[in-house]
Amino acid sequence: QAGLTQPPSVSKDLGQTATLTCTGNSNNVGYQGAVWLQQHQGLPPKLLFYRNNHRPSGISERLSASTSGNIASLTIIALQPEDEADYYCSAWDRSLTGWVFGGGTNLTVL
Amino acid sequence: EVQVVESGGGLVQPGGSLRLSCATSAFSFSNVWMSWVRQAPGKGLEWVASIKEDGSDKFYVDSVKGRFTISRDNAKSSLYLQMSSLRAEDTAVYYCASISMGYWGQGTLVTVS
Repeated sequence: QAGLTQPPSVSKDLGQTATLTCTGNSNNVGYQGAVWLQQHQGLPPKLLFYRNNHRPSGISERLSASTSGNIASLTIIALQPEDEADYYCSAWDRSLTGWVFGGGTNLTVL
Repeated sequence: EVQVVESGGGLVQPGGSLRLSCATSAFSFSNVWMSWVRQAPGKGLEWVASIKEDGSDKFYVDSVKGRFTISRDNAKSSLYLQMSSLRAEDTAVYYCASISMGYWGQGTLVTVS
């Protein structure tokens, strides 16, 4: 089953801004949007954003999410060492009738 | 505080069976879709199966259709995954989750060898 497309890795300097993208199609991202998850090594995924791009309580305001057509984006400003993690997007695909995930982006903060 | 706790993982031989359980609390379990998501060692997340709130509809990734069965007991706020005809490629940490609500467990490791 086809998944969402994410760049495998992104590297940015401390304090800079990183924008991670997630490309789908009209049956998934373009249909109901995508959730964003953060996963640190050895830990379970953690929700960063709901499909409506709203942030759950406790998630830093340095993070924001948006959707334009079939592309979802996650932006992190003022990068901190703790932002170094794997980031996944996921969306419900109405054609496949299942959740699809991106391959994940490994964010390195230099 | 929302709690999602998986159990039942372990080492099983190819062709064997295993039943995963997921106990939840502190959210309205009977009103949310629930899913199983797995992560093979060093790999990304892969959706395995989902079940509607009342259990009336179930959905599976192609690779597990006919081998895995998802079920739920709303009275016990619990989710299950019956796995049979297990293969080496099913080796992974299995997470119980409400993907849309952002509730995830710590995962349980299934090793097929």
